[in-house]
Amino acid sequence: AQRVTQPEKLLSVFKGAPVELKCNYSYSGSPELFWYVQYSRQRLQLLLRHISRESIKGFTADLNKGETSFHLKKPFAQEEDSAMYYCALKDAGGTSYGKLTFGQGTILTVHP
Amino acid sequence: DAGVTQSPTHLIKTRGQHVTLRCSPISGHKSVSWYQQVLGQGPQFIFQYYEKEERGRGNFPDRFSARQFPNYSSELNVNALLLGDSALYLCASSPWTSRMRQETQYFGPGTRLLVL
Repeated sequence: AQRVTQPEKLLSVFKGAPVELKCNYSYSGSPELFWYVQYSRQRLQLLLRHISRESIKGFTADLNKGETSFHLKKPFAQEEDSAMYYCALKDAGGTSYGKLTFGQGTILTVHP
Repeated sequence: DAGVTQSPTHLIKTRGQHVTLRCSPISGHKSVSWYQQVLGQGPQFIFQYYEKEERGRGNFPDRFSARQFPNYSSELNVNALLLGDSALYLCASSPWTSRMRQETQYFGPGTRLLVL
């Protein structure tokens, strides 16, 4: 069974400080990993995915298969980064191509 | 494009009743997935549909059912509602290609269901 764990329910940092949101997963196959973000009163939206190896809004995430982790990082946090962040894993095989397994989410608060 | 739309936005039902939630995908998207998000938790996968066929099912009882129509819109039905069914129900649409793993799911705003 696949599982995604986000150990921190809440994370608070000050503006300009580095931020790291942790995500660990368990999956027997080859995973597709994503970070989704939900800003206040907005819908869930994709932030980035590991296969793209891109930086979005200054955020990056590296898939570490040895540690089964996909931590989200940003060197200098901004107040507008305050939101709920979800790590998600996609079943890349079998019959459930579309199934996303989400972690419980981390609420990031960036103080001025 | 308005993105994924869902109706209604809010709904209040009583135990034992039945509910139908509706979802319209982004134009051109042929796959729709449904998720349940209980307060304080991440979304949980319920169903995925493509070309009117169920392609995936999560760990939910048979009280939950869904269908997809020729225009790719979808309905989620829940029978014999329980208090524990109170949640935000999310619909997500995505393009379907032979490499489904590459495609992004786009979420709707959700329908908030309260069961009393």
